[in-house]
Amino acid sequence: QVQLVQSGAEVKKPGSSVKVSCKASGGTFRSYTINWVRQAPGQGLEWMGRITVMFDTANYAQKFQGRVTVTADESTSTAYMELSNLRSEDTAVYYCATSYGGNWEFDLWGRGTLVNVSS
Amino acid sequence: QSALTQAASVSGSPGQSITISCTGTSADVGGYNYVSWYQQHPGEAPKLIIYDVTNRPSGISNRFSGSKSGDTASLTISGLQADDEADYYCSSYRSSGTSVFGTGTKVTVL
Repeated sequence: QVQLVQSGAEVKKPGSSVKVSCKASGGTFRSYTINWVRQAPGQGLEWMGRITVMFDTANYAQKFQGRVTVTADESTSTAYMELSNLRSEDTAVYYCATSYGGNWEFDLWGRGTLVNVSS
Repeated sequence: QSALTQAASVSGSPGQSITISCTGTSADVGGYNYVSWYQQHPGEAPKLIIYDVTNRPSGISNRFSGSKSGDTASLTISGLQADDEADYYCSSYRSSGTSVFGTGTKVTVL
């Protein structure tokens, strides 16, 4: 059974960048696509992007194009999401979630990483 | 990129059935059978309960069922229980290799 362990909470200044990690254990990392989803306080879920590990290909929501980068390191079974030029509206819990192969359902979720953007 | 449309809240009494709708367009819900549903309790990560419109993952109660007609997908919860009180989100593949969530529905068990 795959488990996803995310990095700890972060406090960032406006204009800076944040890099959140998501380490997978118990499965075949390269079989998965890792998605990134965020949830602002009291708000809904928002899909940001994904990386298909086997092909090292990424797709991004138009809203985040140019500001988000999703990567994966097969040697450590870890995926990363880096968001740049942070603003207060980026304050949210960031989740990683797996999709098996190229599927579009998110079947396993990490516990989330709180990113607080504040001056 | 606009979110899929869901009612803000739905309520029902224990034992009743409720249905949550998720409306999109032909570019997402209507064009592909890649609609999934998620349950989220306060302070927890979402949990997959339906995928590919109608399929339940292993371990998910058969009280949860999904369907789709045109650009609208639906989640039905039958035999409503107290633990079903949560937020529910739909999600769909959208053309050009992206995904989109619904606005979310808060289910209240009266």
